[in-house]
Amino acid sequence: DIQMTQSPSALSASVGDRVTVTCRASQSISIWLAWYQQKPGKAPKLLIYRASTLESGVPSRFSGSGSGTEFTLTISSLQPDDFATYYCQQYNTRGTFGQGTKVEIK
Amino acid sequence: EVQLVESGGGLVQPGGSLRLSCAASGFTFSSYAMTWVRQAPGKGLEWVSAISGSAENTYYADSLKGRFTISRDNSKNTLYLQMNSLRAEDTAVYYCAKDHSGTYPSYFFDYWGQGTLVTVSS
Repeated sequence: DIQMTQSPSALSASVGDRVTVTCRASQSISIWLAWYQQKPGKAPKLLIYRASTLESGVPSRFSGSGSGTEFTLTISSLQPDDFATYYCQQYNTRGTFGQGTKVEIK
Repeated sequence: EVQLVESGGGLVQPGGSLRLSCAASGFTFSSYAMTWVRQAPGKGLEWVSAISGSAENTYYADSLKGRFTISRDNSKNTLYLQMNSLRAEDTAVYYCAKDHSGTYPSYFFDYWGQGTLVTVSS
């Protein structure tokens, strides 16, 4: 099975900060990676797929990059609505999620 | 507007069974693979099972060991998950999700339901 490891597990940031979350796969997954945002008590929301393709309607402050085994999600200027937990997911082989990164208010 | 509405969750004793349903609307249901994803309380997301648009192909997480069965009724726009021999570790919110790409699973999801809580406890 492909394992996905996110870092950090949690971070504190202020509105306007640039935030980066890293996701590593236990083996190469090419570009078959998605990012989701989840708020408490809500379903996940797709942000990015194919490592860097922004889902329709997602603000352009979100971006993704990477290929192979290392990927990043970047929020260029953190907004109040962005405080949430972020999950990466590989879909090269079935689907495996990372453990999540909680973005909290500093 | 795409809507996915799960139902059927609840409290069940260890060893018991439960059937979850997911009513879909706002898209051509039979044209998309569908998936169940679960989330244990305070934990991360775990892919459970997927089914192709025609219901011809089904896929399961290895950890389920044959206890769960996914199905769909395209005439009713409804997805199901039959869960047998339930264990405490199956306690989770179960989400149904629409595959992003089409008839066969691509394993990433553009729409999710609100989830239904399954609690396995005596």
